[in-house]
Amino acid sequence: EVQLVESGGGLVQPGGSLRLSCAASGFTFSTYSMNWLRQAPGKGLEWVSYISSSSSTIYYADSVRGRFTISRDNAKNSLYLQMNSLRAEDTAVYYCARDFAAVPALMDVWGQGTTVTVSS
Amino acid sequence: QTVVTQEPSLTVSPGGTVTLTCASSTGAVTSGYYPNWFQQKPGQAPRALIYSTSNKHSWTPARFSGSLLGGKAALTLSGVQPEDEAEYYCLLYYGGAQAPYVFGTGTKVIVL
Repeated sequence: EVQLVESGGGLVQPGGSLRLSCAASGFTFSTYSMNWLRQAPGKGLEWVSYISSSSSTIYYADSVRGRFTISRDNAKNSLYLQMNSLRAEDTAVYYCARDFAAVPALMDVWGQGTTVTVSS
Repeated sequence: QTVVTQEPSLTVSPGGTVTLTCASSTGAVTSGYYPNWFQQKPGQAPRALIYSTSNKHSWTPARFSGSLLGGKAALTLSGVQPEDEAEYYCLLYYGGAQAPYVFGTGTKVIVL
């Protein structure tokens, strides 16, 4: 079964850091691009970051550029999001999603999400 | 900043048909934006329905169809079922290194 499982969410103070993980199984992780997306409470979906299969291409949304870092370990079938200088507006459910790089925007498999709360 | 706009909410009767649209602040939506559609029910992760304007995933029910309509991307639900009540999001691809992906504002479909 193709599956993505996020972890690492929690409560963190403003200005703090958190590292999210996304464990992939059931498919050849190293051949797919990946994305992080988020959804603030009661709000819509927001794309956060993209990483190509070899990590050679990385993109960030303006709202997180310079504070968040996406990375992956293909040997461990894992995707990561290092979040620094966290703000209240980063509070959201964070999802990872598989991306068919050959077909732009095709995100067919999503994880169940992990919740990040930034609050003092 | 690019904005992708959808209807806030639409109401449809069971068995009826409803069309959701997805408009870009940059101009007409074409196939080059590779429109995707996702369904999200409360407390659940989004589920992919349509990619590249009109292509269905293997799990997408036949009553869902995607198209381009009057310069917008469109999602049509035909023969609506009660379980189709959900939030629907479109996703457009803008390419480049600045925010290549932008989600729409979302449409709440109410089956009444």
